[in-house]
Amino acid sequence: GAVVSQHPSRVICKSGTSVKIECRSLDFQATTMFWYRQFPKKSLMLMATSNEGSKATYEQGVEKDKFLINHASLTLSTLTVTSAHPEDSSFYICSARARGGTTQYFGPGTRLLVL
Amino acid sequence: AQSVAQPEDQVNVAEGNPLTVKCTYSVSGNPYLFWYVQYPNRGLQFLLKYITGDNLVKGSYGFEAEFNKSQTSFHLKKPSALVSDSALYFCAHPRWDKIIFGKGTRLHILP
Repeated sequence: GAVVSQHPSRVICKSGTSVKIECRSLDFQATTMFWYRQFPKKSLMLMATSNEGSKATYEQGVEKDKFLINHASLTLSTLTVTSAHPEDSSFYICSARARGGTTQYFGPGTRLLVL
Repeated sequence: AQSVAQPEDQVNVAEGNPLTVKCTYSVSGNPYLFWYVQYPNRGLQFLLKYITGDNLVKGSYGFEAEFNKSQTSFHLKKPSALVSDSALYFCAHPRWDKIIFGKGTRLHILP
């Protein structure tokens, strides 16, 4: 089956620094990638949708300057949390979908802790 | 608004007993419905989906779900629970090219 990886799996950073999270589709070309955020004991909230080669579409209430998304190739999307603060601590999950496909394949998630 | 609802935050079941995780939907037209499972500190794994056809859908790990149009429900079931089934379960439905998740139900299987 299709595999999506995320790196790093866990990151701890100081407040004010920026953190980049990578999402890769390992065995298929992902024309669309999605970024979700999951708070403790909460559901997944879609943050943004990115299509390869174009700007990401952000959900209402998500700061695009805070959460920079780049989908530079058909196998890689990155989420950069800029000037991270403790309230940005969360579990970030990406998913990827192939061209013409309907199934989203989820990555294992990245746990971010901002001190 | 179209949505799915999971009325239970947590469900406890003894190992070997049948389990049910509830989901109700409010989706116009023919609903597409999914179940996903999330094991601790891991991403989501797809369990099963209902698009059309048989109301009883069989999925991964011995799970099944029954689509009930009159009750607008899509409950997840398993005849005999395993301790390894302990996880967070999400009911979901697609909206355009997005997936909208329910709030999740934590399932505890007690040995």
